[in-house]
Amino acid sequence: AQSVTQLGSHVSVSEGALVLLRCNYSSSVPPYLFWYVQYPNQGLQLLLKYTTGATLVKGINGFEAEFKKSETSFHLTKPSAHMSDAAEYFCAVTLRTGGFKTIFGAGTRLFVKA
Amino acid sequence: DGGITQSPKYLFRKEGQNVTLSCEQNLNHDAMYWYRQDPGQGLRLIYYSQIVNDFQKGDIAEGYSVSREKKESFPLTVTSAQKNPTAFYLCASSPGLAGVYEQFFGPGTRLTVL
Repeated sequence: AQSVTQLGSHVSVSEGALVLLRCNYSSSVPPYLFWYVQYPNQGLQLLLKYTTGATLVKGINGFEAEFKKSETSFHLTKPSAHMSDAAEYFCAVTLRTGGFKTIFGAGTRLFVKA
Repeated sequence: DGGITQSPKYLFRKEGQNVTLSCEQNLNHDAMYWYRQDPGQGLRLIYYSQIVNDFQKGDIAEGYSVSREKKESFPLTVTSAQKNPTAFYLCASSPGLAGVYEQFFGPGTRLTVL
């Protein structure tokens, strides 16, 4: 069965430190992969996506993610955290074959300390 | 500006009452979705629609109903049969139903049943 696991419901980093948010998926075929960000009481906004081609994907606000098929992972990183990065981040997966279904991870809330 | 609007932002209802949440998009997208968000559970799909006058149940459709009479509009009714309706509801759209498309989200409606 398809699933998405985000390791760590809460992650805390200092301003200027590396941000690493983990996402692993289970799927028999490589899926489409997405990262979304949600600020309090707002909808989700796309950060980046992987569909095909280069496995290192760059997104908005300095974020990037790398698709690693062998590890079934799509971790999100940013070299230097900013206070404005504090938000909740969701990894999402959609299968390439079969009926439509997008599965969202449970989310990781990122805290940035001054 | 193109986007998705949801109204109202906050909604309070008494137990046993039906309530309808509005979702409108002017992105000319074919597909629309309704999600429910609860703390620590990510997003769960309630209903989706690929085209006008067609919609499909998602993972948690019980106690909800939808209509898609116009391409721009996808209202969600939370009925009295929904046992725990208090939640944050998100509407989304995408150009098509295929997984390669990201979803564009509205700002959400927070429903509280008293």
